[in-house]
Amino acid sequence: DAGVTQSPTHLIKTRGQQVTLRCSPKSGHDTVSWYQQALGQGPQFIFQYYEEEERQRGNFPDRFSGHQFPNYSSELNVNALLLGDSALYLCASSPERQAYEQYFGPGTRLTVT
Amino acid sequence: LAKTTQPISMDSYEGQEVNITCSHNNIATNDYITWYQQFPSQGPRFIIQGYKTKVTNEVASLFIPADRKSSTLSLPRVSLSDTAVYYCLVGLTGNTGKLIFGQGTTLQVKP
Repeated sequence: DAGVTQSPTHLIKTRGQQVTLRCSPKSGHDTVSWYQQALGQGPQFIFQYYEEEERQRGNFPDRFSGHQFPNYSSELNVNALLLGDSALYLCASSPERQAYEQYFGPGTRLTVT
Repeated sequence: LAKTTQPISMDSYEGQEVNITCSHNNIATNDYITWYQQFPSQGPRFIIQGYKTKVTNEVASLFIPADRKSSTLSLPRVSLSDTAVYYCLVGLTGNTGKLIFGQGTTLQVKP
């Protein structure tokens, strides 16, 4: 049983560009959350998707958007990239009624130059 | 969600028991306490969750006093592979899904 998978592993973008990160949840999980982790910091909650709808959102600007597909996979889009968006982006999945126990993927390392 | 305070770093030696204490003075009645572990270049991993008294699983034990204003994660007989960052989280269970991570405690296990 594959766990949470994310692609790509690493990504380098230029300021002002747009990026799309992808996540496939663990089998049987229908809820997907995205987190941003800056170097030396704990992960920060971006938003959560359930039943293809954004259910909760953290303190991130509208440049951060997402989508969940019928197969529960998800995308994170970031527009107008800033240098400060450089971070590890983590996807986590869980069953809808067990969201305290989230399974994290290995993350996508985004570098904005 | 309740704010948590935990030591920035701890050192230990192989074979020792490690106790990491987290303070959460403003914990609400409905809040559960959850601990995650994160190795370098990996996503966090759920370790244990509890509400009161003591919870034990194959990885760790969690001790919560009656006033629930703090909690202690206990790792028995640590090995080098337990070197990681440990996060204490406080919040609701169920379908909120909004995990609030602090800076965590970096545990360094030495040979």
